[in-house]
Amino acid sequence: QVQLQESGPGLVKPSETLSLTCTVSGGSISSYYWSWIRQPPGKGLEWIGYIYDTGSTDYNPSLKSRVTISVDTSKNQFSLKLSSVTAADTAVYYCARWWDYGDRKWFDPWGQGTLVTVSS
Amino acid sequence: DIQMTQSPSSLSASVGDRVAITCRASQSISTYLNWYQQKPGKAPKLLIYAASSLQSGVPSRFSGSGSGTDFTLTISSLQPEDFAIYYCQQSYSIPRTFGQGTRLEIK
Repeated sequence: QVQLQESGPGLVKPSETLSLTCTVSGGSISSYYWSWIRQPPGKGLEWIGYIYDTGSTDYNPSLKSRVTISVDTSKNQFSLKLSSVTAADTAVYYCARWWDYGDRKWFDPWGQGTLVTVSS
Repeated sequence: DIQMTQSPSSLSASVGDRVAITCRASQSISTYLNWYQQKPGKAPKLLIYAASSLQSGVPSRFSGSGSGTDFTLTISSLQPEDFAIYYCQQSYSIPRTFGQGTRLEIK
């Protein structure tokens, strides 16, 4: 079955850009939406955005000015860049597939998550 | 944004109990509602999609109901592995939003 794995630096300095990659295995990245979701320590879940294999994107308006999600179908990967980070961006970052079948839409499966700490 | 509010925020129950967790949307979302289970240190896992459809592989003791603004996740007979945090999530509009979570603890 499809599995997702996040990778990237676990520590980012304030004002710099957070960069993560999600590698999809066990299936093709084509014809699906792929999403990033984050969870600050001890808190709830926040959707960041998603991308279709064509490169079409939707972002959370609260983060839109700082977020870029891109896809590399040749590598079966998609990536997240979040600019001008602060301590408030410290979180576990998850990648997940977004299923969109008309009136049926959900996140599944999810990667295991990766903790990114913003600190000098 | 559509706000999702879960109640209760935490719940203590015993193995074998029947429990219900509710989720209220700030506006009507038809049946565009999903439920996830999250265990410590793990990613959320999809339990229910489209308000009442059981995800493949999820035990039948989990069920979902509701439409419009009010939804319920019911666990018919709690098992030890069910103690976790549960989140609802609306898929009606962007941004996709989650409830704040309900922590289900062992009594």
